[in-house]
Amino acid sequence: GQNIDQPTEMTATEGAIVQINCTYQTSGFNGLFWYQQHAGEAPTFLSYNVLDGLEEKGRFSSFLSRSKGYSYLLLKELQMKDSASYLCAVRVDSGGYQKVTFGTGTKLQVIP
Amino acid sequence: EAGVVQSPRYKIIEKKQPVAFWCNPISGHNTLYWYLQNLGQGPELLIRYENEEAVDDSQLPKDRFSAERLKGVDSTLKIQPAELGDSAVYLCASSLDPGQQVTDTQYFGPGTRLTVL
Repeated sequence: GQNIDQPTEMTATEGAIVQINCTYQTSGFNGLFWYQQHAGEAPTFLSYNVLDGLEEKGRFSSFLSRSKGYSYLLLKELQMKDSASYLCAVRVDSGGYQKVTFGTGTKLQVIP
Repeated sequence: EAGVVQSPRYKIIEKKQPVAFWCNPISGHNTLYWYLQNLGQGPELLIRYENEEAVDDSQLPKDRFSAERLKGVDSTLKIQPAELGDSAVYLCASSLDPGQQVTDTQYFGPGTRLTVL
């Protein structure tokens, strides 16, 4: 199975930058997703990495190091609406098809 | 474009009663997933369909849970009988055929919040 670790909770200040880390141990790694989930709502797709490096998308960036089994999501210019849970999900090649496993999520609270 | 539709949004039942959830995926999405999400946890896969075929149901408690996806579009997840521990949010997601694109990004419905009393 996959072992995915993320911090349970984080707090950051409006306007600041926050980095949410995700480490994983798996075989057959074939990509990593980040999802945002507001309380009581469905997860929504933020980013996808399969190669090492940084993917930037507006205020959000995601980084991947395959050799280290490590990814982070970077949120810049934090806004109050960024308060949500952030889910790291790892995709592996499992017996001929792609299987995605979610971490437990990091609950981010943005304070004024 | 309409997103993934689920109903009902909320359901309260007594233990030992049956319950069913319905999902309509995004048009054209061949892959459909049912997840269970407990408070403060990530989604856990119950079953995955490729068209009509259940390709991964290893985490589905088959003694009480069942699912179907007739005609490869809508899907229904059923619990019979429900237990107290089944209280959770049941999420449905869909994605394009993984073979047709690099990323099989999943798009989630709003979920059904089940409370078993």
